[in-house]
Amino acid sequence: NAGVMQNPRHLVRRRGQEARLRCSPMKGHSHVYWYRQLPEEGLKFMVYLQKENIIDESGMPKERFSAEFPKEGPSILRIQQVVRGDSAAYFCASSPLAGVSADTQYFGPGTRLTVL
Amino acid sequence: QQQVKQSPQSLIVQKGGISIINCAYENTAFDYFPWYQQFPGKGPALLIAIRPDVSEKKEGRFTISFNKSAKQFSLHIMDSQPGDSATYFCAATTSNTGKLIFGQGTTLQVKP
Repeated sequence: NAGVMQNPRHLVRRRGQEARLRCSPMKGHSHVYWYRQLPEEGLKFMVYLQKENIIDESGMPKERFSAEFPKEGPSILRIQQVVRGDSAAYFCASSPLAGVSADTQYFGPGTRLTVL
Repeated sequence: QQQVKQSPQSLIVQKGGISIINCAYENTAFDYFPWYQQFPGKGPALLIAIRPDVSEKKEGRFTISFNKSAKQFSLHIMDSQPGDSATYFCAATTSNTGKLIFGQGTTLQVKP
């Protein structure tokens, strides 16, 4: 049973370019979460999505950042016009549909974004 | 009120010793408290988790102690091994909100 998959694992962008990060949840999981980890810091919640719905985007910066989880395909975190401060590790997590296990989030290996 | 405070920031323990990491929270709506282990360059891996209806949960060498009245919980690693050297994060959430609030992390080094 494959775990949460993220790609690319490493992404280098120049200031002003766009970054697209992809996440495929674990099989049978329909909830996806994105977190950002700055160097030497803990993880910060960004957004919570279900298929075709954004449930909670309270941690997303107001501009340049967007996320989607389409009916088919992976979840995408999109950062437009990247700046150096966007350099971080971005982690995706997934959880099952419902029940007690719904709170348990399983994390992917992350995408390390470097903005030059 | 949404913060989770974790201490210490770093910890050095001899092989075979007990590692103890503490976390405190303020939001009484939190009802699920997981601990994650993260190795350099990897994603966080769920280690153990507890809900406030129990005061202690043990899985192998890892134990969570939970004090609801003090709003504190801690991770104990018994018989610490060099392979346990990693960064440990506590977290808290309210069920079904999907929003994990993480502590700042503790870097554990277990010396042989």
